[in-house]
Amino acid sequence: GESVGLHLPTLSVQEGDNSIINCAYSNSASDYFIWYKQESGKGPQFIIDIRSNMDKRQGQRVTVLLNKTVKHLSLQIAATQPGDSAVYFCAETLSGSARQLTFGSGTQLTVLP
Amino acid sequence: DAGVIQSPRHEVTEMGQEVTLRCKPISGHDYLFWYRQTMMRGLELLIYFNNNVPIDDSGMPEDRFSAKMPNASFSTLKIQPSEPRDSAVYFCASSFMGSYGYTFGSGTRLTVV
Repeated sequence: GESVGLHLPTLSVQEGDNSIINCAYSNSASDYFIWYKQESGKGPQFIIDIRSNMDKRQGQRVTVLLNKTVKHLSLQIAATQPGDSAVYFCAETLSGSARQLTFGSGTQLTVLP
Repeated sequence: DAGVIQSPRHEVTEMGQEVTLRCKPISGHDYLFWYRQTMMRGLELLIYFNNNVPIDDSGMPEDRFSAKMPNASFSTLKIQPSEPRDSAVYFCASSFMGSYGYTFGSGTRLTVV
C-alpha cells in the first residue's frame, strides 16, 4: 500500500521493544474503534477493535486503550517483531448508523534489527 | 476462502480513457465498500453496498465515477473519462452484517498519464 500523507508520523523501535502508536479521533459521538495494519503492497488488515464502553482490550501481543475524555486511542504492541513493520491506522464509527469507517492518517512503524 | 479479490492489480491508462476496476467479495458477506487511498487524502470511502444495493455514494468524487454490483459476488468501479488526479490505489472491502472488521482486497494501483 502507499504511504499515507506527505507527513505520515513515523515510529522506529528496536526489535523486542514495546511499541505505542497513538491516534486522536475526531467525532466525540463515535462509539466503536478499530486498528488496522497495512503492509506494503497490501490492503489494510483488521488487528483489534474496542467499543466505547471499554477502556482497554487485549489481543495477542496487542492492547488497545481508549480515553474518551480526550478522544485518544492507542495501540500497544508487545515485543515488536520485524513483521510488525507497517502503517497502522485507527478507524472510528458510530455503530448503528451508516456503516462507514472514518480512517485516521496512519503511522509508519519501522522495526530496527 | 481466497479473501476479497480485486483486478487488475495495476492499471496504467491515458487520460480520457475508461477504466474499470473489479472486485469479488468474500462469499456470504453482504456489505461491499470501495475506498480510494492517496498520499494527500488517505483512505476515503467512495461508495458502499448492502445486499447489492448502493446505500451511500456521497464519497464518489464526480459523475465520472460510477459503481455497480449486479450480484452478490461481483462489483465494478468505473471511471469515464479518467484524469491524472484519479491516480491512486483503489481498495474494495467486504464485511458481514454486524461486523465492522472489514476484509480488504489487495487493491488496484491506478496510474492515469
